[in-house]
Amino acid sequence: AQTVTQSQPEMSVQEAETVTLSCTYDTSESDYYLFWYKQPPSRQMILVIRQEAYKQQNATENRFSVNFQKAAKSFSLKISDSQLGDAAMYFCAYRDAYGQNFVFGPGTRLSVLP
Amino acid sequence: DSGVTQTPKHLITATGQRVTLRCSPRSGDLSVYWYQQSLDQGLQFLIQYYNGEERAKGNILERFSAQQFPDLHSELNLSSLELGDSALYFCASSVQIAGAETQYFGPGTRLTVL
Repeated sequence: AQTVTQSQPEMSVQEAETVTLSCTYDTSESDYYLFWYKQPPSRQMILVIRQEAYKQQNATENRFSVNFQKAAKSFSLKISDSQLGDAAMYFCAYRDAYGQNFVFGPGTRLSVLP
Repeated sequence: DSGVTQTPKHLITATGQRVTLRCSPRSGDLSVYWYQQSLDQGLQFLIQYYNGEERAKGNILERFSAQQFPDLHSELNLSSLELGDSALYFCASSVQIAGAETQYFGPGTRLTVL
């Protein structure tokens, strides 16, 4: 079964600085999708960024970018120019190509210090 | 605002009771997913419907059931409730973007079982 691991339960970053959140996963599939979701105190889940495994180019979305290392099964999220509104729980998620399996990591709580 | 709506926002009930949670997907989205988020179990995928048909099943208890109606809204029915069913229940709808399915989460329904 696929698993998603986020080894950093908590992280903090100074406002305007850059922070990287780690995620590793385990799968025997070659085609799949990876996601980062943000859950602020409102508890709503917000899609931050997604990556298709067949694409070598790392996805970027404004201040958010990923470092996707397929061979290492690593999918880290980099947040540049951190803002107070970035403070939230961040979940890494894996989904297989057939849509039969959607697995979330345990989350990393990010604090942004003014 | 993701465009996915869930009602009610909060629900407080007693053990042994039955409740129904409702979800309206984004306009045009055919897929609806249900998730349970509890403190000790993290985010767990329960079930997926696509255009009225069950498509995938995750860690859904037999006491729980769901359906998707012709207007594409979905309901999650939880019966014989136990204290451990207290959790945040999310609904998500999905859309294909550039060949990849992306989910958009609703605000969640917080269920408290006393």
